Amino acid sequence: AQTVTQSQPEMSVQEAETVTLSCTYDTSESDYYLFWYKQPPSRQMILVIRQEAYKQQNATENRFSVNFQKAAKSFSLKISDSQLGDAAMYFCAYSGGGADGLTFGKGTHLIIQP
Amino acid sequence: KAGVTQTPRYLIKTRGQQVTLSCSPISGHRSVSWYQQTPGQGLQFLFEYFSETQRNKGNFPGRFSGRQFSNSRSEMNVSTLELGDSALYLCASSRQGRGARDGTEAFFGQGTRLTVV
Repeated sequence: AQTVTQSQPEMSVQEAETVTLSCTYDTSESDYYLFWYKQPPSRQMILVIRQEAYKQQNATENRFSVNFQKAAKSFSLKISDSQLGDAAMYFCAYSGGGADGLTFGKGTHLIIQP
Repeated sequence: KAGVTQTPRYLIKTRGQQVTLSCSPISGHRSVSWYQQTPGQGLQFLFEYFSETQRNKGNFPGRFSGRQFSNSRSEMNVSTLELGDSALYLCASSRQGRGARDGTEAFFGQGTRLTVV
C-alpha cells in the first residue's frame, strides 16, 4: 500500500522568508502523481502544486516550488516570500496506480510570524 | 463557476442514528470522491463515484455507503452512527472518470462537520 509521511507536524516562518515542507512517500509504482494541498481555517482543500512522476523537471507555481527526488521518494514544498495568507495546514498527497483515491500525509501546520 | 457544495455544513447526531450528507460537484464534473478527516487518522479515502457507479472504495465498514445521481450529485450515508464517526467529511469532484488515478485535479468542498454524541 502507498504511504505518505510528513515528518514536520508544525513549522513556523517569518513573513517574507522562505520555508520548506518535507514529504516522503512509499510506492512500488513508476507512474503516479504527487500533490500539495493547502487547507486554511475555512477547511476547504486547495491545490497548491502538482507533479507528475514521469517528469524530471520540478513543478513551480509562482512562489511555490517543489523538489522532487524520485529515487529518494521525496517531494518537498518550498514557499518563497512567505505571506500571512499562506498560514494553513499543508498536506502532501499521492495518487496513481495501486491507490484508490488520494493518499494523504498527516499534514504540516504552517505558521507565519508577522 | 460555482465550486463544490456540501450540505449541511454542520450536523449533530446521536449514536445509533443514521445520517445523509450531500455533495454537488462542479458543473461538468462526473467524478465525486468522499474523504473522512479526523485528528487521529487524518484524511482517509471513503469511495469514488463516476457516472452513478462506485468505482473505488476505501477501507471502511459497510455502514458507510454512497450513491451518485444522474446529475452527478452524490450522497453518502452512515448508518448506526458511532462516536468515532465524528469527523469532517470532505467531498471532491473532478472532470475525468479515473478520478485521482490520472492525476486530474480534485476540487474540494468545505466539508460537513459531523458530531456524534
